Amino acid sequence: EVQLVESGGGLVQPGRSLRLSCAASGFIFHNYAMHWVRQAPGKGLEWVSGINYNGGHIDQADSVKGRFTISRDNAKNSLYLQMNSLAPEDTAFYYCTGGPTLSYRFDYWGQGILVTVSS
Amino acid sequence: EIVLTQSPGTLSLSPGERVTLSCRASQSISSSYLAWYQHKPGQAPRLLVYATSSRATGIPDRFSGGGSGTDFTLTISRLEPEDFAVYYCQQYSSSSLYTFGPGTKLEIK
Repeated sequence: EVQLVESGGGLVQPGRSLRLSCAASGFIFHNYAMHWVRQAPGKGLEWVSGINYNGGHIDQADSVKGRFTISRDNAKNSLYLQMNSLAPEDTAFYYCTGGPTLSYRFDYWGQGILVTVSS
Repeated sequence: EIVLTQSPGTLSLSPGERVTLSCRASQSISSSYLAWYQHKPGQAPRLLVYATSSRATGIPDRFSGGGSGTDFTLTISRLEPEDFAVYYCQQYSSSSLYTFGPGTKLEIK
């Protein structure tokens, strides 16, 4: 059974940092591109950042460029999102998701984790 | 930047009805990189259709996708109670990377 389990969310003050983690199981992790997608309260889905199968290529949405960094550890079947300089508009559920390399789609999804940026 | 528009924003329908959801792109996109997702409150989104018309693993055949260029559709041939949810289209392009449409909410009439 495929599982993606996010952790590390919570309440954080504006300007502070937070690191999300995603533990993957049930599929061949190193064959998949992995991404973070978020959903702000009452809004739709927004792609945040993606990393290719071996970490050699990273893409980011303009809204997080220079503040968020995606990374992966294939030995640990884990995905990470380092979020710096957080702002209230970063408040959202963050989903770990992935798809086969070069498929440009999102086959597997975690349940999501809430990040709230507020003073 | 490629913008996806979905219409209508909300649809009120009854189980058993047929529905076609629309996704329109601001410029032509590759059919290989157009997907549809179902999202229910409190749950993870679920991939339904990829590459415009290929059903994902385990997706019932009442779901079908089509289209090309700038106009794409997701059709549910006969609505089941569990189909009431929000549906998103998503595209990938080298210029705009990944974008989602704003979603269409299917609600029970």
